[in-house]
Amino acid sequence: DAKTTQPTSMDCAEGRAANLPCNHSTISGNEYVYWYRQIHSQGPQYIIHGLKNNETNEMASLIITEDRKSSTLILPHATLRDTAVYYCIVSPGVGNTGFQKLVFGTGTRLLVSP
Amino acid sequence: GAGVSQSPRYKVAKRGQDVALRCDPISGHVSLFWYQQALGQGPEFLTYFQNEAQLDKSGLPSDRFFAERPEGSVSTLKIQRTQQEDSAVYLCASSFRTVGGSEQFFGPGTRLTVL
Repeated sequence: DAKTTQPTSMDCAEGRAANLPCNHSTISGNEYVYWYRQIHSQGPQYIIHGLKNNETNEMASLIITEDRKSSTLILPHATLRDTAVYYCIVSPGVGNTGFQKLVFGTGTRLLVSP
Repeated sequence: GAGVSQSPRYKVAKRGQDVALRCDPISGHVSLFWYQQALGQGPEFLTYFQNEAQLDKSGLPSDRFFAERPEGSVSTLKIQRTQQEDSAVYLCASSFRTVGGSEQFFGPGTRLTVL
């Protein structure tokens, strides 16, 4: 019962920006938007997360719409090593219990080509 | 520094055998999670530990699945009387306990094949 909708697959040329969309129209006020990716035969890797402001780190940028019903993950200069399945997840903040179950959907399979 | 490690990386079991999968989280991480990933699907939550306490086991598919973390560090996921439908990748993740959003660090997983 994932609460996000993502395209099944996307293609991107090496060196170009990859823009991965995610719809989360039922997101509630205390839920964060997380992005993870999973390269073949590896465990998922955290990319970035945000609540309502746009975020940027060394890996990517996260743009969240003002109504928080959708977001876009941007990989500014995609490389072949960015080929992976990208998961958009909404989840409440950790709070005092430290418990934050991640509910993965099927994600977007991004293929970066030369 | 060392990340989350899991062993074995691959396990083949005959139907009906018991298996034990080990997870070594990042040192100092309070939270530990187990997930199950079937072929072509995203990971699905199994259970959660805060230190040695198992606070949520709602995702365990049956009473054949048992997890423990007796000293609040290493964790073991045990599956008794394995069935073919147990074939999957079992992922372990750990994280700090922080207020607000937090990052889970995943291990490489153990691929279990039940014949």
